[in-house]
Amino acid sequence: QVQLQESGPGLVQPSETLSLTCSVSGVSIHIYYWNWIRQAPGKGLEWIGYISSSGITSYNPSLKSRVTISEDMSKNQFSLELSSVTAADTAIYYCARHWSVAAPPDLWGPGTLVTVSS
Amino acid sequence: DIQMTQFPSSLSGSVGDRVTITCRASQSISTYLNWFQQKTGKAPKLLIYSASNLQSGVPSRFSGNGSDTDFTLTISGLQPEDFATYYCHQTYNIPPTFGGGTKVDFK
Repeated sequence: QVQLQESGPGLVQPSETLSLTCSVSGVSIHIYYWNWIRQAPGKGLEWIGYISSSGITSYNPSLKSRVTISEDMSKNQFSLELSSVTAADTAIYYCARHWSVAAPPDLWGPGTLVTVSS
Repeated sequence: DIQMTQFPSSLSGSVGDRVTITCRASQSISTYLNWFQQKTGKAPKLLIYSASNLQSGVPSRFSGNGSDTDFTLTISGLQPEDFATYYCHQTYNIPPTFGGGTKVDFK
């Protein structure tokens, strides 16, 4: 059974870097595409970016200057770094899988709440 | 970015009702349109992909239709477990974008 699980600090200081990891079990990250998507409390969904099985990344232009998505094949994990965070980055962060470039995410982690506050 | 507009933003229904949610794209997206269901405190769940294809394991009372800019999600016979928020989602181009959501609750 394929499962995704986000992990990382629940509280980040303003202007610092948010770092999250998604651990994948049941399938190798050598296949599929792996996304980060977020949802501000009580708000809608925003795509952050993805990394492909070959390591190619694609980011939301609205966040591109602050986002890095990377992979660790040895641990079957992929990660998100979002720099220079503000309160507007407070959200539930989800990792998710999709099977091709134009396909929707079909499998999601449970999400993790990250609060940006001093 | 392609803007996705859903309406209504909320609706009230009873068990057994047929309900329809509409999603409109700001430009043509062919059939690159998906629907998700999200329950409180849970991750979104994929219901429909490519406008009309039912995701594996999703009950057949859910159906999707449309192309170009106008799409619908229909629930034929609302069940208690269907009370949730529904989002449309386009993958025609980058960045993929979501509609604002339609909350379905008890009448």
